[in-house]
Amino acid sequence: QQPVQSPQAVILREGEDAVINCSSSKALYSVHWYRQKHGEAPVFLMILLKGGEQKGHDKISASFNEKKQQSSLYLTASQLSYSGTYFCGTEINYGQNFVFGPGTRLSVLP
Amino acid sequence: DAGITQSPRYKITETGRQVTLMCHQTWSHSYMFWYRQDLGHGLRLIYYSAAADITDKGEVPDGYVVSRSKTENFPLTLESATRSQTSVYFCASSAGLAGDNEQFFGPGTRLTVL
Repeated sequence: QQPVQSPQAVILREGEDAVINCSSSKALYSVHWYRQKHGEAPVFLMILLKGGEQKGHDKISASFNEKKQQSSLYLTASQLSYSGTYFCGTEINYGQNFVFGPGTRLSVLP
Repeated sequence: DAGITQSPRYKITETGRQVTLMCHQTWSHSYMFWYRQDLGHGLRLIYYSAAADITDKGEVPDGYVVSRSKTENFPLTLESATRSQTSVYFCASSAGLAGDNEQFFGPGTRLTVL
C-alpha cells in the first residue's frame, strides 16, 4: 500500500517555508524521508519511528503523528539547494511492507 | 573507494535480449535492493536480498532475476527485455530491513529497451 504524498509539486521562493505530507491507510511503524536531486540518486534525510521523537537537522525537520498515520516534513527558510523530489517511505511493521511514496517535487526559485 | 557502484550507467538494448545490471557495495551491508524508477510511480522495489543466497520478491518482480553469491554483489538480470522495462534502475544497500536503517543508493542505471 503505497503512501500518499501531498502536494505533488510545490514552487517556493528562497527563504520561504514548505510542508510535505505523507499519509498511509494503515498504522505505521516507521517513516523514512529521502531527497533526490534531478539526475542523481536518492539521499537519506531522516527516519521517524513509532513512539520516537520528532527529528530534525539544520532547517529540515519532520514529525510523525501515529494516530493520523501521517508524517510531515518541514523545510524552513528554504535554500536553492533544497530543490528536488522528496520521497517518504513507510513501513507497517518492522521489516515488513516497506514502500516509497510517489514523491513531491520541490522547486526553490531565487 | 567505499560506497555503492552500478554498471553500466547507461544501456540501450533491443526487445528480447538479455541484460544484466551490476551492483557492488563495499560496506558489507547485509541487505541489498533493486528499485526501478518511472515517472509518477516513485521507487518500486523489484527484489531484495537479506544475505548471500537469500533473495525475495518485491512489488514488481516479473521479468527480472537476481542472484547474490557474494555479500558485496547483487546483479539484476532481465532475461528477455521488453519496452516496458525501460526505466532508471537503482541499487541500494542497508544494514537492516527498514526500521531504523537508512538505505544507501547507487548512482543508477538508465536502461532503454528499443
